[in-house]
Amino acid sequence: DAGVTQSPTHLIKTRGQQVTLRCSPKSGHDTVSWYQQALGQGPQFIFQYYEEEERQRGNFPDRFSGHQFPNYSSELNVNALLLGDSALYLCASSLDGRWSYEQYFGPGTRLTVT
Amino acid sequence: AQSVTQPDIHITVSEGASLELRCNYSYGATPYLFWYVQSPGQGLQLLLKYFSGDTLVQGIKGFEAEFKRSQSSFNLRKPSVHWSDAAEYFCAVGRAGNKLTFGGGTRVLVKP
Repeated sequence: DAGVTQSPTHLIKTRGQQVTLRCSPKSGHDTVSWYQQALGQGPQFIFQYYEEEERQRGNFPDRFSGHQFPNYSSELNVNALLLGDSALYLCASSLDGRWSYEQYFGPGTRLTVT
Repeated sequence: AQSVTQPDIHITVSEGASLELRCNYSYGATPYLFWYVQSPGQGLQLLLKYFSGDTLVQGIKGFEAEFKRSQSSFNLRKPSVHWSDAAEYFCAVGRAGNKLTFGGGTRVLVKP
């Protein structure tokens, strides 16, 4: 059973550019959440997608946007990159519903903005 | 607003010694509590979780945690640490379907 997968593993971008990160959820899961983990800090919630719509959003600017596809995979897009966007971006999947309290995390995408 | 505090940024323990990692939370309702471990360059692995019932929960890799509502704490323990336990540990709070709020993490170093 494949777990959560993310691509690419590493990415280097220049300030002002745009980036797209991808996530495939664990088999059977229909909800995807994205987290940003800056160096030396805990992960921070960006947003969550369910049924192809953004269901919850953390305290992140509109430069951060996402998408969920009919097969439940998801993309995270960041526009106008800033140096402060350098971080590990983690995707987590879960099964929606009252008891969907377990989130399974992928290995992350390390984004470096120069 | 919900928050999680992990007071210890770094902890160094000798192999075979016991380990306790502290976690304090603030949450408006009855929380779901989690401990995750992250090895260098890796994602997060769930060690254990608490939803209700017995306040002492057992997890993987020999870890356990105790929920104390009166102290708003959910401390993680292991009786005997192995070198492979060197990693960063995160406490998190949330509810079903909701976002997880993480603490800042505690880095554990294991001395031979």
